[in-house]
Amino acid sequence: DADVTQTPRNRITKTGKRIMLECSQTKGHDRMYWYRQDPGLGLRLIYYSFDVKDINKGEISDGYSVSRQAQAKFSLSLESAIPNQTALYFCATSDTLLVPGELFFGEGSRLTVL
Amino acid sequence: LAKTTQPISMDSYEGQEVNITCSHNNIATNDYITWYQQFPSQGPRFIIQGYKTKVTNEVASLFIPADRKSSTLSLPRVSLSDTAVYYCLVGDGGYSTLTFGKGTMLLVSP
Repeated sequence: DADVTQTPRNRITKTGKRIMLECSQTKGHDRMYWYRQDPGLGLRLIYYSFDVKDINKGEISDGYSVSRQAQAKFSLSLESAIPNQTALYFCATSDTLLVPGELFFGEGSRLTVL
Repeated sequence: LAKTTQPISMDSYEGQEVNITCSHNNIATNDYITWYQQFPSQGPRFIIQGYKTKVTNEVASLFIPADRKSSTLSLPRVSLSDTAVYYCLVGDGGYSTLTFGKGTMLLVSP
């Protein structure tokens, strides 16, 4: 089993619908992140959390919200999906005490908003 | 946050050594340099990290000059499976986050 698991892996939805992408990890890391990737572009940070009580906006947080339900779970919500949120979403984790900057990524969730 | 600049794309052939250079002129004293590899529709994967001089692991080498304003990822004897996007990131792993640029698309041909 993957250390960082994302569900669903693929989702097609319609404009205006609420969507939740879930991420769970078994690595015991304290930090979790949500990134978005569009074709031909690098990854852009949406939200990040350094521990359960800490939530921070990234560079493109508008239209998204997150919930850190436990150390191992970090969910990303699109309250009212729009077509330009069609993208590949990645969850990642890192551990403060390990190699600086080493992120461990999930397999991605491909979201299509019609 | 230190910004990085790297070539958009590079081409190579199987068996050749590939060197990808990244510029990070405003790197901070506490920053490390980290390289990731990403295959299509997969999450990036950590390749190597360094602070200064040279670091080598089973996959690659990382060369960092004394001024640390640039770094070079060296992939020895590439194969077709090394075709991927390579990202250079700079950060200290503290309370800042890492920023991914567009990376370098490496295409390895037979």
